[in-house]
Amino acid sequence: EAQVTQNPRYLITVTGKKLTVTCSQNMNHEYMSWYRQDPGLGLRQIYYSMNVEVTDKGDVPEGYKVSRKEKRNFPLILESPSPNQTSLYFCASSSFRSGANVLTFGAGSRLTVL
Amino acid sequence: AQSVTQLGSHVSVSEGALVLLRCNYSSSVPPYLFWYVQYPNQGLQLLLKYTSAATLVKGINGFEAEFKKSETSFHLTKPSAHMSDAAEYFCAVSDRAGSARQLTFGSGTQLTVLP
Repeated sequence: EAQVTQNPRYLITVTGKKLTVTCSQNMNHEYMSWYRQDPGLGLRQIYYSMNVEVTDKGDVPEGYKVSRKEKRNFPLILESPSPNQTSLYFCASSSFRSGANVLTFGAGSRLTVL
Repeated sequence: AQSVTQLGSHVSVSEGALVLLRCNYSSSVPPYLFWYVQYPNQGLQLLLKYTSAATLVKGINGFEAEFKKSETSFHLTKPSAHMSDAAEYFCAVSDRAGSARQLTFGSGTQLTVLP
């Protein structure tokens, strides 16, 4: 089944404790992206990647890091989480051939930072 | 710069009634427009898209949307609501096809379907 898989789905952590949210897609998509969803704000893009080793900042990159060492994986790293990073996070991917703005989303990772 | 405004963060309709979710956009170039749906505890999935072909676009599950340039609108409709339509709906705009980096989402409209 074609899908984007995120882990963990739920996480409660404390301020300053580094964490990584993994994202993997099995569709050989070139494009991958991370969004955060907050009530009343819709989805805001954190980082995106056009292909392996090519990443760039989205609209709200502060406090986050990403890497794209393999085409299928695009982990989101919070080096020192803070309470304002409590949010619902989505990873998404797409193929340039079928239209890069037609995104396939993961099921989401709900993060709480205490 | 581009933006999307979804009028009404919450919409309630009775089962069998018309669904109308409003979306207005702002774009300096001809836009590409999308509706995504998010069912509870799931990621978003594409409902339909407008990419400068027919102005009336049909999507999955009986939904459709009409692009009206004069009104800068892309409202989503369904003639008869079903309980399974309860979800959050997001309108999105892109300034060109194939550019996910430029995809801007609205703040979402939560649709409740009453029995």
